[in-house]
Amino acid sequence: GIQVEQSPPDLILQEGANSTLRCNFSDSVNNLQWFHQNPWGQLINLFYIPSGTKQNGRLSATTVATERYSLLYISSSQTTDSGVYFCAGGKTSYDKVIFGPGTSLSVIP
Amino acid sequence: EAGVVQSPRYKIIEKKQPVAFWCNPISGHNTLYWYRQNLGQGPELLIRYENEEAVDDSQLPKDRFSAERLKGVDSTLKIQPAELGDSAVYLCASSLIWAGDGTQYFGPGTRLLVL
Repeated sequence: GIQVEQSPPDLILQEGANSTLRCNFSDSVNNLQWFHQNPWGQLINLFYIPSGTKQNGRLSATTVATERYSLLYISSSQTTDSGVYFCAGGKTSYDKVIFGPGTSLSVIP
Repeated sequence: EAGVVQSPRYKIIEKKQPVAFWCNPISGHNTLYWYRQNLGQGPELLIRYENEEAVDDSQLPKDRFSAERLKGVDSTLKIQPAELGDSAVYLCASSLIWAGDGTQYFGPGTRLLVL
């Protein structure tokens, strides 16, 4: 099955700093999603991004499908960005997705 | 639009007891997922439904876990009997796979503690 790696595993940022999170896949995926799990455990879908670049406010994501990786950019981080960021991928939209181990982000004032 | 609803939010039981979790997906979503998330890890799929049909239950421990999705809407996940290792958060998600977009929307989860 598909293996998913995420880096870094942990990240501490000062409020206002920028960061880049990376997700690598062992095989090609056509169903790639980024999620944020807040400190209360709620998983929020950030992006569905099998390829290309998308932006939503201070967040953007880029997936290079041919090289089997995706990047999540967080700009001008805020304390509310704290939590765990997961990427997940599957072969197609109709297949199950495999979650990575996550990147734990702490944004300090 | 209401999100994915799960109940109960928390459950504490003794080992060997049965437990059931309920999920109501987003209206109109044809695909429903049950995941288990252990502390410090990402969610792992237990079972996926397309309407009423379980299309992927390869990760469901069928000796003690069962699930159903009657009428292709609500779903129930049951554990009988529960073991200490079943303590985890059980997450339900739904999606409307249309034009190749498999965006999944998660409920708040049920936190299970087995004593």
